[in-house]
Amino acid sequence: AQKITQTQPGMFVQEKEAVTLDCTYDTSDPSYGLFWYKQPSSGEMIFLIYQGSYDQQNATEGRYSLNFQKARKSANLVISASQLGDSAMYFCAMRENSGGSNYKLTFGKGTLLTVNP
Amino acid sequence: GAVVSQHPSRVICKSGTSVKIECRSLDFQATTMFWYRQFPKQSLMLMATSNEGSKATYEQGVEKDKFLINHASLTLSTLTVTSAHPEDSSFYICSATRSRGGRETQYFGPGTRLLVL
Repeated sequence: AQKITQTQPGMFVQEKEAVTLDCTYDTSDPSYGLFWYKQPSSGEMIFLIYQGSYDQQNATEGRYSLNFQKARKSANLVISASQLGDSAMYFCAMRENSGGSNYKLTFGKGTLLTVNP
Repeated sequence: GAVVSQHPSRVICKSGTSVKIECRSLDFQATTMFWYRQFPKQSLMLMATSNEGSKATYEQGVEKDKFLINHASLTLSTLTVTSAHPEDSSFYICSATRSRGGRETQYFGPGTRLLVL
């Protein structure tokens, strides 16, 4: 079974509007972390935001916020006021604190976001 | 600025040759680094965990003798693709874990595009 599921292969948004990228995860580990990365066409992976499983509040970083719903095992990324430069591939990833390798990440398949002018 | 560097950024080689890719954490020490492989329009697949001073831990299905990993210091890990073949052509990305204030984040290098002719 997939540990990270991103159901949207592609998304379109109008410039200056908000967009939500979906991510659901599957783990039995009580302690885990969730990450979002942006990958533009250049290939570099850019860290956007992190949410720990014990964090009481939803993470926010500038225009990025994470809608963390623990009971539903979802960690959707919300980008507000989209900009043309936001067009990229977005990956959701999870780190589980088990198996002796605390920092190993499992990635979803990604969502290609296109921001239209 | 970049906190993890990779060299080279792009390499073209003949089939049967070996290629070495370097991954460096620039201003922090990383006891653990990771090597990923990404095919076009696909997600990142973890190949191995590189541990400073000990043997790398390979993911299932990754050939240890094909992809040699050496983590010689706290800031440098190398991946050597031995006897490369066209099917090894891919985008290889390394990452290093940085701990700050009790929270760790994985920072990725810019990636290396390998083309085997």
